[in-house]
Amino acid sequence: KNQVEQSPQSLIILEGKNCTLQCNYTVSPFSNLRWYKQDTGRGPVSLTIMTFSENTKSNGRYTATLDADTKQSSLHITASQLSDSASYICVVSAGGGFKTIFGAGTRLFVKA
Amino acid sequence: NAGVTQTPKFRVLKTGQSMTLLCAQDMNHEYMYWYRQDPGMGLRLIHYSVGEGTTAKGEVPDGYNVSRLKKQNFLLGLESAAPSQTSVYFCASSLLEGGRTDTQYFGPGTRLTVL
Repeated sequence: KNQVEQSPQSLIILEGKNCTLQCNYTVSPFSNLRWYKQDTGRGPVSLTIMTFSENTKSNGRYTATLDADTKQSSLHITASQLSDSASYICVVSAGGGFKTIFGAGTRLFVKA
Repeated sequence: NAGVTQTPKFRVLKTGQSMTLLCAQDMNHEYMYWYRQDPGMGLRLIHYSVGEGTTAKGEVPDGYNVSRLKKQNFLLGLESAAPSQTSVYFCASSLLEGGRTDTQYFGPGTRLTVL
């Protein structure tokens, strides 16, 4: 069964600290993996996208990694800011068709 | 360039009532999607469209209908609303097929409550 599991469910960190969010997937055949940021009351916004051959992708203070062998991805946030408070969603697409599986997200709270 | 817009932002319905959610995009994208987002769950695909005049079922299509009469618009209809359809609905659009390397652009969402 195609699944995307994210951990932790929620996370509280202090402003300026780093954090890492995890994503494990069992989607096959793998096409690409995306990380989205969703602010409260808004739609998701794309942060990074990685295909099978890419193992790192950065977008400012956000760095995503992909290990296609272990089917794991992580999103690392450096020097967190209050505006990073949001849900972060891992999305995995299977090759061919519209088989796109969304994780339930990790809710990040950044405290001053 | 407004991106993806959704109308309305909020709506409360009584069981059995009908309504239509409107999605519009100004990016000339071929592909459009309707998702629902429920607490503790990932977004789930309701219906999608690969072009004007075409629609297809997603993961959770029951109780919903869609139409894509114009390339820029994608309508989601509820013929007889049920409390189980209480959710936040997101529309998205993209240039390429969802399973390939592309980015989906999401609207701001419609919060629907069915009493």
